[in-house]
Amino acid sequence: ETGVTQSPTHLIKTRGQQVTLRCSSQSGHNTVSWYQQALGQGPQFIFQYYREEENGRGNFPPRFSGLQFPNYSSELNVNALELDDSALYLCASSRAQETQYFGPGTRLLVL
Amino acid sequence: DAKTTQPPSMDCAEGRAANLPCNHSTISGNEYVYWYRQIHSQGPQYIIHGLKNNETNEMASLIITEDRKSSTLILPHATLRDTAVYYCIGPRGSARQLTFGSGTQLTVLP
Repeated sequence: ETGVTQSPTHLIKTRGQQVTLRCSSQSGHNTVSWYQQALGQGPQFIFQYYREEENGRGNFPPRFSGLQFPNYSSELNVNALELDDSALYLCASSRAQETQYFGPGTRLLVL
Repeated sequence: DAKTTQPPSMDCAEGRAANLPCNHSTISGNEYVYWYRQIHSQGPQYIIHGLKNNETNEMASLIITEDRKSSTLILPHATLRDTAVYYCIGPRGSARQLTFGSGTQLTVLP
């Protein structure tokens, strides 16, 4: 196990709602990256937080936002949910730009 | 981006070595090659990474060609639990984000 935890494990939302996903990083790690994995595809990079600041962003709209706390845990917020947001959301923690270790993911279903 | 090319699928008999190739001809001199695997619906698992020299850990060995244009991940004694999608990745960008391609579906057969 990597020591990276995510909550909740599953959730169901309806279109237009907002959702918050949480990630606790491995001890000693100060960087959290978020990825979205649609069914049958590889994970896609959403953004990364390093020492509470956004440090790189993939091709995702502004309704995807994040936060990192002083203990380096992180949240991913998605506003105005769309059906295509249904996916497995993964977070990965690392020490700065070193090896990323993934959590088990949160499965989001938007109806 | 450092584009990687992997075969879509491979089979391997249980107990035999599994050799998974990856072409990464656009990788630059100071970029590492990382290997991850993902068992169905779980988070990707880090396996190994390397820059120039061959690397070995408790999970696998990584052989990188001298020109760094390709590499091979070796699982020395494959088990049924090694059945997964294997990704070869060259982290890029300010965040050293991982760009996952299609990967190789490795199926270990009894």
